[in-house]
Amino acid sequence: KAGVTQTPRYLIKTRGQQVTLSCSPISGHRSVSWYQQTPGQGLQFLFEYFSETQRNKGNFPGRFSGRQFSNSRSEMNVSTLELGDSALYLCASSPSAGSLYNEQFFGPGTRLTVL
Amino acid sequence: DQQVKQNSPSLSVQEGRISILNCDYTNSMFDYFLWYKKYPAEGPTFLISISSIKDKNEDGRFTVFLNKSAKHLSLHIVPSQPGDSAVYFCAAILPRTQGGSEKLVFGKGTKLTVNP
Repeated sequence: KAGVTQTPRYLIKTRGQQVTLSCSPISGHRSVSWYQQTPGQGLQFLFEYFSETQRNKGNFPGRFSGRQFSNSRSEMNVSTLELGDSALYLCASSPSAGSLYNEQFFGPGTRLTVL
Repeated sequence: DQQVKQNSPSLSVQEGRISILNCDYTNSMFDYFLWYKKYPAEGPTFLISISSIKDKNEDGRFTVFLNKSAKHLSLHIVPSQPGDSAVYFCAAILPRTQGGSEKLVFGKGTKLTVNP
């Protein structure tokens, strides 16, 4: 069974631009969560989607948004990029709702660099 | 405000010995705790979890202990193996409150090195 895939793996953008990251969960998994990892703040929870609905949300500004499609694939968008948005963005999938309590399967991440 | 703290950035142990990774938290509302490990260039992998109503959970070589009064949990790996060398993250879940969200809060990780 294929794991969680994230595209692109690496991305370089400049301040003020916007970016869209993509995540394909494990086949059959309906829940997708997004995380940001930085050296200073560590791993931080962004949001979780299940059945195309955002179920849970972390403490990030509105510049960070996401959506989930009917095939469970998810995208995360960051608008008006700032230098501090440079990070590894991780996506994780889980078979069911309530995924924060269940085992999540992580992808390898997208490394975003903002110049 | 770091609600989940892993105060040791790194830990080094000999193969075959016990590894003890520690985690402290400040919010007594956390109701579930998890440990993840992460190898370089890979996403985290779930290791073990524990509900706040329990004080111990064991899975093979891995045991998590929870001391609610001290707001402290620890992960024990016995015996430690070189393949256990990775960064270990402690995480805690804040349950959903009325009109709010569940939240998953991570510590900053402890890098474990198991020497052959």
